[in-house]
Amino acid sequence: QSVLTQPPSASGTPGQRVTISCSGSSSNIGSNYVYWYQHLPGTAPKLLIYRNNQRPSGVPDRFSGSKSGSSASLAISGLRSEDEADYYCAAWDDSLSGPVFGGGTKLTVL
Amino acid sequence: EVQLLESGGGLLQPGGSLRLSCAASGFTFNNYAMNWVRQAPGKGLEWVSATSGSGGSTYYADSVKGRFTISRDNSKNTLYLQMNSLRAEDTAVYYCAKGTSYYYDSSTYYWDYWGQGTLVTVSS
Repeated sequence: QSVLTQPPSASGTPGQRVTISCSGSSSNIGSNYVYWYQHLPGTAPKLLIYRNNQRPSGVPDRFSGSKSGSSASLAISGLRSEDEADYYCAAWDDSLSGPVFGGGTKLTVL
Repeated sequence: EVQLLESGGGLLQPGGSLRLSCAASGFTFNNYAMNWVRQAPGKGLEWVSATSGSGGSTYYADSVKGRFTISRDNSKNTLYLQMNSLRAEDTAVYYCAKGTSYYYDSSTYYWDYWGQGTLVTVSS
């Protein structure tokens, strides 16, 4: 059971905008930054969003992050087939004194 | 280009021991905290352990505390994870991940580069 809650799956057609939610509590998302990672099985996970809404260099601006209270969202606009992957949110948890993850959301591009 | 290459995974019986290695290149290794993160089959990601840039400070998830030891050899640009008293629930792909600062703390702990992982299977 993951500390952060994500929907297990999401889907969209090419060109669409999809959002993936991540719900936590006051001890994690509510008081710390949120991070998003993209993971294709068998490959190295990739940092997509850091500190709630910042994109590392090289990450397309189609990816955006937001946070409100104890929840966060990742939005992907102009969906592409190569976006099909697992997406994970992460945050520091003050109660556990360490980072926690969401269970991951498998994005399917129809 | 930052590269992280894990090795040392394998199949072993419960109660056994294994040491994972992560060879790093493309950045000044001793300037950054390093981590191990794992993913059990069909499950999500789980942070396992971290060490500061010098190796002088180490941190562990409760699930592995007392059984796993993280260390680093900055002269070899290599990160290690010594895993003892292994259990079936330790079966996972283990990823080496680079931190964004010398220190490991709530604002800099996150991981900007990851390796491709090495599989550890614990089964009788």
